[in-house]
Amino acid sequence: LAKTTQPISMDSYEGQEVNITCSHNNIATNDYITWYQQFPSQGPRFIIQGYKTKVTNEVASLFIPADRKSSTLSLPRVSLSDTAVYYCLVGRILTGGGNKLTFGTGTQLKVEL
Amino acid sequence: SQTIHQWPATLVQPVGSPLSLECTVEGTSNPNLYWYRQAAGRGLQLLFYSVGIGQISSEVPQNLSASRPQDRQFILSSKKLLLSDSGFYLCACPRTGGNTEAFFGQGTRLTVV
Repeated sequence: LAKTTQPISMDSYEGQEVNITCSHNNIATNDYITWYQQFPSQGPRFIIQGYKTKVTNEVASLFIPADRKSSTLSLPRVSLSDTAVYYCLVGRILTGGGNKLTFGTGTQLKVEL
Repeated sequence: SQTIHQWPATLVQPVGSPLSLECTVEGTSNPNLYWYRQAAGRGLQLLFYSVGIGQISSEVPQNLSASRPQDRQFILSSKKLLLSDSGFYLCACPRTGGNTEAFFGQGTRLTVV
């Protein structure tokens, strides 16, 4: 599975938009790009998934360029509660269902007042 | 949606002692199940995954083993713990529907002393 590279940490302030970019140069044709959020001592929580172009849900937007070698997670108007580690990963849906997810080290986002 | 139960939440074990962590899943049948480990300040490492009863795939060589005695039960074991086995252990299950969204349990914090 493709390796991902993302910044180790980012700082922001409440109310700002935060964009976290991830590179995945070796992404394969049948790989999806997925982002998870993790709070300390909890399991990761799914945020958003995309294959190409732009995907938006009630929490975030995901921008994927045509070559799919990178992606950007956009969090609008962050709050203190968005302080967490954000993981970018590529996942492949396995034949018969399920997936195989490879996590990197993630980006520690710190939101301040 | 699926719910994953893991226990215990925390565990302190001496070096050389055995280990048994249990994970059970509700809300689905015949799920793929995964064990991840997260060392302090690190990303998640996939240890084992299972596509069915008695079917286990190991992702990395290690001191641990996994078993799937029932459809919705996944067990992580060790005969003799090492200091390096300390970490945060997470059980996961993909969302029914075959995308790259996965549900994670609350995790077990294992400290080997």
